[in-house]
Amino acid sequence: AQKITQTQPGMFVQEKEAVTLDCTYDTSDQSYGLFWYKQPSSGEMIFLIYQGSYDEQNATEGRYSLNFQKARKSANLVISASQLGDSAMYFCAMSSNNAGNMLTFGGGTRLMVKP
Amino acid sequence: DGGITQSPKYLFRKEGQNVTLSCEQNLNHDAMYWYRQDPGQGLRLIYYSQIVNDFQKGDIAEGYSVSREKKESFPLTVTSAQKNPTAFYLCASSIRRKPNSPLHFGNGTRLTVT
Repeated sequence: AQKITQTQPGMFVQEKEAVTLDCTYDTSDQSYGLFWYKQPSSGEMIFLIYQGSYDEQNATEGRYSLNFQKARKSANLVISASQLGDSAMYFCAMSSNNAGNMLTFGGGTRLMVKP
Repeated sequence: DGGITQSPKYLFRKEGQNVTLSCEQNLNHDAMYWYRQDPGQGLRLIYYSQIVNDFQKGDIAEGYSVSREKKESFPLTVTSAQKNPTAFYLCASSIRRKPNSPLHFGNGTRLTVT
């Protein structure tokens, strides 16, 4: 069984600063994928970034980067130059090549950006 | 524009009534999913379907039923057997068997049962 743990229920960050959201995972699969989603207060889920378990380089998408440490089973999201619009819930999720595209989600981290 | 449409956005029902949540996609995706989200929590998988006329139970399928008669549609019925039906329901779709393909989500239906 897969498990995703996000240990930070809520975090504050000053506008224009960088912030790291933690995510650890547990799986016995050798091939898997890690995703981060953003959920604003409106409720939709917005895909941010993906990291495959065999990818040697950390994924980056604009201001988002994924700090992937396979041996530690961690996949932290780094948001650079925070903006007020970054205030939202952030979810880490995991897929397994053995289970199609189904995602297992963590409990989420609420990020609040201060002006 | 391609996307996933969930309707209605808000739904109110009396306890003991079955209710069906709609999910339609025009992304030509084979796989579709239903997730439930409770306040302040992550998403939990209810049902998923990889192809038409086939679907599988997720982690919390009890009290729910689905059908997949068309590729574009994956309605979810919340039955009276579901003990705590009040929640936010999210439908998603993806390209089948492409693990790095992200799930595309609809805007959700907020169900309140009193």
